[in-house]
Amino acid sequence: DIQMTQSPSTLSASVGDRVSITCRASQTISNWLAWYQQKPGKAPNLLIYDASTLESGVPSRFSGSGSGTEFTLTISSLQPDDFATYYCQQYKSYSSNSYSWTFGQGTKVEIK
Amino acid sequence: QVHLVESGGGVVQPGRSLRLSCAASGFTFRSYAMHWVRQAPGKGLEWVAVTSYDESNKNYAESVKGRFTITRDNSKSTLFLQMDRLRAEDTAVYHCVRDRTSGLVGTTWGDSWGQGTLVTVSS
Repeated sequence: DIQMTQSPSTLSASVGDRVSITCRASQTISNWLAWYQQKPGKAPNLLIYDASTLESGVPSRFSGSGSGTEFTLTISSLQPDDFATYYCQQYKSYSSNSYSWTFGQGTKVEIK
Repeated sequence: QVHLVESGGGVVQPGRSLRLSCAASGFTFRSYAMHWVRQAPGKGLEWVAVTSYDESNKNYAESVKGRFTITRDNSKSTLFLQMDRLRAEDTAVYHCVRDRTSGLVGTTWGDSWGQGTLVTVSS
């Protein structure tokens, strides 16, 4: 099974900061990676898919990069609405005709 | 607008069963693969199960394999999760999630999520 490891687990930052979250896969997953944002008591919301494609309606301050085993989610200028928990998710299964997802353990972005 | 509404959660004793439902609207339900993803209190996201658009392909997390069954009724735009032999560690909010694809040759990402239904397994 593919394991996903996010770092850091918690990130303290201020409004206007540039922040980055890393997600590492235990084996190569090409660009089969998505990022989600989740706020307390709410369902996760898709931000990015295929490692770097921004979902429609998501602000352009969010960006994704990487391929293979290492990926990054970057918020260029942190806004008050961005304080939340972020998860990466692999879907390499799409390229191998198998069916499963794996999530990272999450990164909480909190106010410094 | 895609709308997914889960129901059927509640408090259940260990070893008992529960059936969750997810009513879908705002899109052509029969064309999409669907997943269940759960989140234990204060914990991260855990994928549980998936079914392709026509139920020809299904898969389960190892933690629920042999105890949970995912099904769908395309005529009623409804997804189900039958949960048997429940354990304390199954306590979580269960989300219904739409996959971006049909699931004919694998699955991709979840582009729409329901708010979830809470399942509590406790004696």
